[in-house]
Amino acid sequence: KAGVTQTPRYLIKTRGQQVTLSCSPISGHRSVSWYQQTPGQGLQFLFEYFSETQRNKGNFPGRFSGRQFSNSRSEMNVSTLELGDSALYLCASSLSEGFNYGYTFGSGTRLTVV
Amino acid sequence: AQKVTQAQTEISVVEKEDVTLDCVYETRDTTYYLFWYKQPPSGELVFLIRRNSFDEQNEISGRYSWNFQKSTSSFNFTITASQVVDSAVYFCALSEASNTGNQFYFGTGTSLTVIP
Repeated sequence: KAGVTQTPRYLIKTRGQQVTLSCSPISGHRSVSWYQQTPGQGLQFLFEYFSETQRNKGNFPGRFSGRQFSNSRSEMNVSTLELGDSALYLCASSLSEGFNYGYTFGSGTRLTVV
Repeated sequence: AQKVTQAQTEISVVEKEDVTLDCVYETRDTTYYLFWYKQPPSGELVFLIRRNSFDEQNEISGRYSWNFQKSTSSFNFTITASQVVDSAVYFCALSEASNTGNQFYFGTGTSLTVIP
């Protein structure tokens, strides 16, 4: 079956703009979580969605938001982009909520803010 | 303070050597889960193993083995007879419940290079 699909793979944006990233989970998976990976901060948890509701949230400013649709697809939005938002954004899906289940990750979206 | 510490930033070994990647975690929860993930150059994180805090049995899967010791808060990962395809960054992670819901913490990763 198809894996976790993230689009686009690469993105270049200008400081101050906003960006929306998309994640399609594995069919049947209802939980989607997002992570930011940077050389300086490593992998950090952003948030998790389950049944269209945000269940958990990491320590990120309100400029980072997301949502999940009824088909479990999720989008992540970053407004007023800053240079420090340049990162690899990874999405992962799981059968259910909570991190006690195995997670399957997508290949990520590499965002560059100039 | 770091919840998950991977003290080894980079490791290089020659093919067929054994290599152990260290992971030390910190938690006050009695119920928690530990994970190892592999991140090859393509960027996708590959799930390797999940362990719950009540199961201290060591696990072996092919050339991979994991040693979970609650007494030392460690969850080390050993690759036996390493191969070039094992070259990747390996992340250890911890999940625990908090008053804001489940939280998930990654270590900073260990970059493994297997030299042919």
